[in-house]
Amino acid sequence: ETGVTQTPRHLVMGMTNKKSLKCEQHLGHNAMYWYKQSAKKPLELMFVYSLEERVENNSVPSRFSPECPNSSHLFLHLHTLQPEDSALYLCASSQERLTDSGNTIYFGEGSWLTVV
Amino acid sequence: KQEVTQIPAALSVPEGENLVLNCSFTDSAIYNLQWFRQDPGKGLTSLLLIQSSQREQTSGRLNASLDKSSGRSTLYIAASQPGDSATYLCAVPDPGTYKYIFGTGTRLKVLA
Repeated sequence: ETGVTQTPRHLVMGMTNKKSLKCEQHLGHNAMYWYKQSAKKPLELMFVYSLEERVENNSVPSRFSPECPNSSHLFLHLHTLQPEDSALYLCASSQERLTDSGNTIYFGEGSWLTVV
Repeated sequence: KQEVTQIPAALSVPEGENLVLNCSFTDSAIYNLQWFRQDPGKGLTSLLLIQSSQREQTSGRLNASLDKSSGRSTLYIAASQPGDSATYLCAVPDPGTYKYIFGTGTRLKVLA
């Protein structure tokens, strides 16, 4: 059973809607991530939070707005999305920086987003 | 800029075969390399993590090797089973950042 839980698993929204994706990790990690996975493309890092502070923002459009209220929870607020934003959104967590040897990254099951 | 490439993009083999998946990366200054498995519509599951000081790691029927100097890693799957059917991704951390750079994956299908 994964230690990273994402809800909802599936979401269909119109281009004028506002919705949020939620992620919760039960692993005691202090870094959390949002990744986007589109068909036939490598995983794209969107945002990274370390100790509730945003440390990476990978040139993501402002229609995606992350929020990290504490080290266990991460949200991705969505508004006025485009059809090309339809993808699998994956949340992940890790203990400190990934570049420290021995640290691995744990992924949730993902949230399938369809923008109509 | 680190780039990760995986070949082949797709592979279909009969059950019982031993097979090798390849991963190459352009910047050899990596701290570790990780192999993941992704089932359709699901998240990623970590299979093996190889530290930069290691040459290989083994878990059950899986063996991953790392050759930093040549910028390559291989994932060896012994006696493949239909349950091994999935997409396999390799990833390396971008030094000094929180980023993990992923390859596009190898989509494996093991036929019963």
